[in-house]
Amino acid sequence: GAVVSQHPSRVICKSGTSVKIECRSLDFQATTMFWYRQFPKKSLMLMATSNEGSKATYEQGVEKDKFLINHASLTLSTLTVTSAHPEDSSFYICSARVGTSDYNEQFFGPGTRLTVL
Amino acid sequence: GQNIDQPTEMTATEGAIVQINCTYQTSGFNGLFWYQQHAGEAPTFLSYNVLDGLEEKGRFSSFLSRSKGYSYLLLKELQMKDSASYLCVVMDSNYQLIWGAGTKLIIKP
Repeated sequence: GAVVSQHPSRVICKSGTSVKIECRSLDFQATTMFWYRQFPKKSLMLMATSNEGSKATYEQGVEKDKFLINHASLTLSTLTVTSAHPEDSSFYICSARVGTSDYNEQFFGPGTRLTVL
Repeated sequence: GQNIDQPTEMTATEGAIVQINCTYQTSGFNGLFWYQQHAGEAPTFLSYNVLDGLEEKGRFSSFLSRSKGYSYLLLKELQMKDSASYLCVVMDSNYQLIWGAGTKLIIKP
């Protein structure tokens, strides 16, 4: 199956710093990538939908200036958490969709655990 | 509002069969997915149903009734590695994914 990687897998940072998370589709081109966050014992929450070459579409309540998403190529999307605070500590997961249909399966990355001290 | 209901936790015995139910109320319907998620890992795709009926894939089967807003995931010949959370996800009329909170399945020897 299609493989999606994320880097780093785990990051610990100080409050006020910025953290960049990379999401790559390794063996396919992903027109659309999705960014999720998951709090302990909670469901995944979609943060934004990212289409290659265009601005990301953010879900209601997600601050676009705080969570910067760049989808510069068909194999790479980045999420930058700017001026991170302890409440941003969470598990961030990206997924990539093969093809252009909304019915197409999403392939998930392994996730990045962010801890803000 | 949009709502997905599934049990919080279930326990089953190794080698047995378990059925995880999911009911949903969403604005439109364009399919239902089941995902498996091990602790600390991203979800992995298990199944997709868009028409009524049973879809079988190895030890796992998924059933859908659109008129009842109901689905279940059936796991047979349970193995210890099946201990995980199982997420019921519905795609609504806007092609947005609505995620359930997941059912934590505990397998005992």
